[in-house]
Amino acid sequence: DADVTQTPRNRITKTGKRIMLECSQTKGHDRMYWYRQDPGLGLRLIYYSFDVKDINKGEISDGYSVSRQAQAKFSLSLESAIPNQTALYFCATSDYRVRLAGAYNEQFFGPGTRLTVL
Amino acid sequence: DAKTTQPTSMDCAEGRAANLPCNHSTISGNEYVYWYRQIHSQGPQYIIHGLKNNETNEMASLIITEDRKSSTLILPHATLRDTAVYYCIVRVGASYDKVIFGPGTSLSVIP
Repeated sequence: DADVTQTPRNRITKTGKRIMLECSQTKGHDRMYWYRQDPGLGLRLIYYSFDVKDINKGEISDGYSVSRQAQAKFSLSLESAIPNQTALYFCATSDYRVRLAGAYNEQFFGPGTRLTVL
Repeated sequence: DAKTTQPTSMDCAEGRAANLPCNHSTISGNEYVYWYRQIHSQGPQYIIHGLKNNETNEMASLIITEDRKSSTLILPHATLRDTAVYYCIVRVGASYDKVIFGPGTSLSVIP
């Protein structure tokens, strides 16, 4: 079973609708993230959470909200979807590690959700 | 976090070494160099990271110049499955968790 899962994998919706994208992880990581990807722009960070009580805005949080229901679950909501939110959305998790090369964190990404807003 | 510059695209013959460059001339002393890759529409995958010494793992090698202003990711024997977009990211080790991805380098491995 995948360590980071996202539902739904594909979604088509209409302008103005409320949409929720869900992310679950079995890695036991405290840190979770939501990114969106648009062609030619790489990945951009929407929100991130270091633990259940911690929520932080990323580069492009306008039009989005999140909920960290539990350590393993991090949901992204579009309260009123608009066409320019059509994109590929990724959830990721990370933990804090210390090795000989120093402290670092490796991010593990889910398979993505392709959202189309008509 | 320091800004990085990568070529937009590169080609590599199957079986040959793929050398992907990255410039990070404004890197700070406490910033690491990370590499991720993304195979078409899949989630990005961590490859390797380093601070100042060269690093090697089962996927790749990372060569960082002595002044740390640039680095090269080396895939020693590229296969068709290595065709992907490769992201070079520079950031403070673990205290800054958020990862800012740029457009990356699109590597095409050619039969």
